[in-house]
Amino acid sequence: AQKITQTQPGMFVQEKEAVTLDCTYDTSDPSYGLFWYKQPSSGEMIFLIYQGSYDQQNATEGRYSLNFQKARKSANLVISASQLGDSAMYFCATNTDKLIFGTGTRLQVFP
Amino acid sequence: DAGITQSPRHKVTETGTPVTLRCHQTENHRYMYWYRQDPGHGLRLIHYSYGVKDTDKGEVSDGYSVSRSKTEDFLLTLESATSSQTSVYFCAIRRTGVSSYEQYFGPGTRLTVT
Repeated sequence: AQKITQTQPGMFVQEKEAVTLDCTYDTSDPSYGLFWYKQPSSGEMIFLIYQGSYDQQNATEGRYSLNFQKARKSANLVISASQLGDSAMYFCATNTDKLIFGTGTRLQVFP
Repeated sequence: DAGITQSPRHKVTETGTPVTLRCHQTENHRYMYWYRQDPGHGLRLIHYSYGVKDTDKGEVSDGYSVSRSKTEDFLLTLESATSSQTSVYFCAIRRTGVSSYEQYFGPGTRLTVT
C-alpha cells in the first residue's frame, strides 16, 4: 500500500530565506507521481508541483522545486525566497489515479 | 481555476439524517473524487469516479455512497449521518496531460453532524 510520511508538523522560516519541507513515500507501483499542495488558512487546496517517477530532472515551478531522490524515496519541497504569503499547510501526496496524502507540515514565515 | 463548485458550502445536520453533497465541474473531466479532511489525517479518499456510472471505493468509504449520472456532477451521500462524519469534504477532478496527473480541488464543504 502507498504511504506518505511528513515528519515535520511545523516549520518556521524567516522571510526571504529558503526552506525545505520533507516528504518520504512508500509505493509498490513501478510508475507513480509525487505532488505537493498548499492549503492556506482560507481552506482551499492549491496544486503546486508534480514529479513523475521517471522524470530525469527535478521539477520546478517558480519559487518551488521538488528535490526528488528516488533511491531514498524522498520528495522534498524547496521554497526559495520565502514570502509571508507562503504561510500555510503543505501536503505531499503520491500516486496517479488515487492520491494518498501525508498529514501535512504547517509552515510559518516571519518577517 | 478548474471550474469546480461544491454545494452546499456549509451544512449542519442531525445524526441519522441523510445528506447529499454535490460537486459540479464545467470542464468535462473524466475523473472525479471525494475526499474528507480531518485534523491529524490529512486528506483521505472516500470514493472516486472514472466515468458516468463508473465509481470505486477509496480508503474510507464506509457510510458513504456516490453517484455520477452526468459527466459534470458527482454526488456524495451520507445515508444516515453520524458524528464521526463531521469533516470538511473536498471534491477534485483530475486533469490528464502529457506528463502530469494533478488533481484540482473544489472549495470544500464543511459538514457538522450534531
